[in-house]
Amino acid sequence: DTAVSQTPKYLVTQMGNDKSIKCEQNLGHDTMYWYKQDSKKFLKIMFSYNNKELIINETVPNRFSPKSPDKAHLNLHINSLELGDSAVYFCASSQDLGGRSTFGPGTRLTVL
Amino acid sequence: QQQVKQSPQSLIVQKGGISIINCAYENTAFDYFPWYQQFPGKGPALLIAIRPDVSEKKEGRFTISFNKSAKQFSLHIMDSQPGDSATYFCAASMSGTASKLTFGTGTRLQVTL
Repeated sequence: DTAVSQTPKYLVTQMGNDKSIKCEQNLGHDTMYWYKQDSKKFLKIMFSYNNKELIINETVPNRFSPKSPDKAHLNLHINSLELGDSAVYFCASSQDLGGRSTFGPGTRLTVL
Repeated sequence: QQQVKQSPQSLIVQKGGISIINCAYENTAFDYFPWYQQFPGKGPALLIAIRPDVSEKKEGRFTISFNKSAKQFSLHIMDSQPGDSATYFCAASMSGTASKLTFGTGTRLQVTL
């Protein structure tokens, strides 16, 4: 059973398009996150949701809009994609705020 | 502003040797220090973690050493194996509603035969 799953695994799109990445966790965790890993492998938090409530928005452009329909899902919608958005996006979840986080397999986004 | 500094950037160790990766942090409010292991094309996976009330934690071949006064912690991999070849990230977080993992820049470990 996959603990944290993301779809799609790969996403190739043109500049200016809008795309979404979906994330689901079956761990019963209360907190979910989106992280971005750039080409140098640096991992940085983007958003955090606790019980469907946004608690962290780490100076991410407002072209990025997370949505949490329920505790087990956290989706990421990106408008007007730019070349600099190319990265690997990881969803993660944890039971405790700031505690042990379980990461998904990642979505590699390539903007052409 | 890099709140968690990690070194070295890359490391080559012979099979059976000891791999040592170091991290330093600035924010004294951090109270959870995990290490993550990432293989190519995969998500980071929690390897081992420590809280500041202990100075060392060992799980199998992996040990975290923690120095609260120096604000440093390190990962030691004993008897390194080729299967340990991966990128390792240290991280830090603090309890509370604004909690998040702040990662180091990663260390690419290669264990040679």
